[in-house]
Amino acid sequence: DGGITQSPKYLFRKEGQNVTLSCEQNLNHDAMYWYRQDPGQGLRLIYYSQIVNDFQKGDIAEGYSVSREKKESFPLTVTSAQKNPTAFYLCASSSGDRDHQPQHFGDGTRLSIL
Amino acid sequence: SQQGEEDPQALSIQEGENATMNCSYKTSINNLQWYRQNSGRGLVHLILIRSNEREKHSGRLRVTLDTSKKSSSLLITASRAADTASYFCATDEKGAQKLVFGQGTRLTINP
Repeated sequence: DGGITQSPKYLFRKEGQNVTLSCEQNLNHDAMYWYRQDPGQGLRLIYYSQIVNDFQKGDIAEGYSVSREKKESFPLTVTSAQKNPTAFYLCASSSGDRDHQPQHFGDGTRLSIL
Repeated sequence: SQQGEEDPQALSIQEGENATMNCSYKTSINNLQWYRQNSGRGLVHLILIRSNEREKHSGRLRVTLDTSKKSSSLLITASRAADTASYFCATDEKGAQKLVFGQGTRLTINP
């Protein structure tokens, strides 16, 4: 079945440690997105990529980094510079058609601090 | 930036009743989308309404869009326990390459 796979489902980070969240899609979508969701809140955009080897900062990019070396993959690294990383992270993809872009979401990674 | 503001923040109704959620936004849009999120899961796309449309239906869902008031509503008719979830509106702003999500409405359907 086509879809988006995020791993791991739960992740713990130690102080000063970088961690990488995986996001893979087999929908042949050009665009991919990373969102952060805090309890009881909406989604805030971290980074997005419209095409391979290109990505843009979203609203809260500080302390995060991404790469887009393959169409199917858009990993997110939470660096030690992100002082409050505890949150639910969601990856999404879309066809990239500007006027019609329903997004398909993975089931998220919950990141906590040890 | 959070463009969509949803109202109410939480809604609790009895099974079988209708549920209405509202979304307001600030800028010109290409389309507005509604998503559902079950607890601890990702979002699922429900319905998209374009800026030149006023109403759209999908099963028990009815979405309206009033671009003069910059607002949209989502109506779920004959609610079921399985409709318990958070519902988010998202706007596709003109000139932007991203969706902007609201804070969501937590809907609880009581059996």
